[in-house]
Amino acid sequence: GAGVSQSPSNKVTEKGKDVELRCDPISGHTALYWYRQSLGQGLEFLIYFQGNSAPDKSGLPSDRFSAERTGGSVSTLTIQRTQQEDSAVYLCASSLGEYGPRNSPLHFGNGTRLTVT
Amino acid sequence: AQSVTQLGSHVSVSEGALVLLRCNYSSSVPPYLFWYVQYPNQGLQLLLKYTTGATLVKGINGFEAEFKKSETSFHLTKPSAHMSDAAEYFCAVSVSGGYNKLIFGAGTRLAVHP
Repeated sequence: GAGVSQSPSNKVTEKGKDVELRCDPISGHTALYWYRQSLGQGLEFLIYFQGNSAPDKSGLPSDRFSAERTGGSVSTLTIQRTQQEDSAVYLCASSLGEYGPRNSPLHFGNGTRLTVT
Repeated sequence: AQSVTQLGSHVSVSEGALVLLRCNYSSSVPPYLFWYVQYPNQGLQLLLKYTTGATLVKGINGFEAEFKKSETSFHLTKPSAHMSDAAEYFCAVSVSGGYNKLIFGAGTRLAVHP
C-alpha cells in the first residue's frame, strides 16, 4: 500500500494489561511521529523519530509509554499497565523528513482506537 | 512554548455559505503554520501551509488562509461551502529553524447542511 498503515485499527484491553500498537510508514520516509487524539482534545505529540538520531520523547506522558523504531522503518508504541485515561486514538505519521514539516507534509495513518475497560 | 487555539469546536454552515474557521497561535519565534483536514474514516491530510513569503496561501479544494502576524492568526476560509467539506479541521504550528514537531489545536468539526 502507498499510505501509512496502523494495526490494529481497534483494540479493547483491560486495565493493567500491556498493549502494543504498530505503525508501518511510507517506504522511504525517514521521519516518524506518534500522536494521541483524545475526545475533545487536539492531537497530542508523543514521540518523533528521524533517521538514526535519538528520538524526541518529550511528549510521552509517563514512563508507562515507550516506542521503538526498528531498522528505520516499522515502529511500535507500547503502553504498559494501561489505565482508563489511556483510551484514545493513537495516530502515526511519516514524512520525508527533510527540513521538517514545512517542506515535507506529514502523512497520517487511520489510527488505532484504544479502549481501556 | 508554541501553542495553537482554535475558536469553536463545532461550526455549522449552509451549503454555499462562507466558511470561516479560526486559529490563533502563540510562538516566540517566526512560525510555520498549517491546516490539516480529517475527512470521515480517513487519515489527516495537509490542506495548506504558510512558511515564508506571501501571507495569503491557497490550498486544496478552494480553501485559503491568511497569516496575520499582528493578530497572531491564521484563519481558514472558503467562499462557498460544499457538502463534501464536512470534516474536522486542525490548525498546527511548527517553529522555524528546522524543528520538526507540529503542535496541533483541538480541532474544529465543520458541518455543512443543505
